Amino acid sequence: RKEVEQDPGPFNVPEGATVAFNCTYSNSASQSFFWYRQDCRKEPKLLMSVYSSGNEDGRFTAQLNRASQYISLLIRDSKLSDSATYLCVVKIPGAGSYQLTFGKGTKLSVIP
Amino acid sequence: EAGVAQSPRYKIIEKRQSVAFWCNPISGHATLYWYQQILGQGPKLLIQFQNNGVVDDSQLPKDRFSAERLKGVDSTLKIQPAKLEDSAVYLCASSPPGSGAETQYFGPGTRLLVL
Repeated sequence: RKEVEQDPGPFNVPEGATVAFNCTYSNSASQSFFWYRQDCRKEPKLLMSVYSSGNEDGRFTAQLNRASQYISLLIRDSKLSDSATYLCVVKIPGAGSYQLTFGKGTKLSVIP
Repeated sequence: EAGVAQSPRYKIIEKRQSVAFWCNPISGHATLYWYQQILGQGPKLLIQFQNNGVVDDSQLPKDRFSAERLKGVDSTLKIQPAKLEDSAVYLCASSPPGSGAETQYFGPGTRLLVL
């Protein structure tokens, strides 16, 4: 079983739509959780951290369910500029320290 | 503030050749990471340095990959000899002291094609 699993998509949605991405992780010792965004041929950039209580940043809402080892990202009122790959990221104990483990990513295309 | 710098941006080599990538992290960032991102996959950690010491190289294919971070600043990643399956983007990232791997800033990456 992979450490972090995501639906690769692609998700093709019209502007203004609401879209949700899901992610599951296998390591129960996972410490912290994040969503990164990666534009085509660019480097990943932190979008937001994910907390058990749920957190919101403008049109973006992230949720964490530790019991189910499940993470979600909701994007409301999608914009063309939201088109990107969204990477689910989990901080796990590594061989020498903590490390970030990335999912394969979910590709989102927002269509005019 | 300058970001993480990497060079070259692109490299095309033939299998069995050698290649080296260079990374300059953000000033003051003690922790440096090298990741491999194969097309359609998420980044995979190859090696993590804390200053000039290796913290984790458990996923580095040591028969052909090597990395060093002399003087605790710049780092180089080398592949010798390269295989077709090494075609990927090699990303360098750094994080500030005390962030515990949570805050990582990525460079633009080096795109490697092995023919």
